[in-house]
Amino acid sequence: AQSVSQHNHHVILSEAASLELGCNYSYGGTVNLFWYVQYPGQHLQLLLKYFSGDPLVKGIKGFEAEFIKSKFSFNLRKPSVQWSDTAEYFCAVNAHGNNRLAFGKGNQVVVIP
Amino acid sequence: DGGITQSPKYLFRKEGQNVTLSCEQNLNHDAMYWYRQDPGQGLRLIYYSQIVNDFQKGDIAEGYSVSREKKESFPLTVTSAQKNPTAFYLCASSIQGASTDTQYFGPGTRLTVL
Repeated sequence: AQSVSQHNHHVILSEAASLELGCNYSYGGTVNLFWYVQYPGQHLQLLLKYFSGDPLVKGIKGFEAEFIKSKFSFNLRKPSVQWSDTAEYFCAVNAHGNNRLAFGKGNQVVVIP
Repeated sequence: DGGITQSPKYLFRKEGQNVTLSCEQNLNHDAMYWYRQDPGQGLRLIYYSQIVNDFQKGDIAEGYSVSREKKESFPLTVTSAQKNPTAFYLCASSIQGASTDTQYFGPGTRLTVL
């Protein structure tokens, strides 16, 4: 079964700072990769996903993630955060053909105005 | 207004009692899922269903049961056999249950066992 690691559970940064959240997974086969976000008081929603093609994926609200197969990583980035990016971010992975998602423990991100 | 509804938002139960959490979707999705979210633990899959009248155990199915009699409904019962039921429960659905499908989540039910 695949597992997902997210480090630095709590991240605090100022507006306009750059954000990078790490995500590593353990699975040797072909995978699909997702980042979900939960804003305060809102439903968990998809930020972006990768399943094939260009390993640099762009999502909503200026976020992007890069799949590096050799490093088993799918790190999330945003060059300049806003206060409204305060949320909890979850990385998730499944194997091709298997819809069972494995989630990481999440990153709680707080952006200070 | 399409989406996933879960009720109730907050639920309290006494030890030894079974309780059923509701999940309804009007997105016409085939697949539905139940997750449990604990602080600092991420989401863990309890059960999922890819089609009516069929469902599979997830990673932490012990102490839980589900049914899928209708496409739009996937209730979860937390039984007295679940050792640590206090948690936040999330329901999700996806259009076909393909591995690349986006999962859409409901607002969740917070269960507290007293």
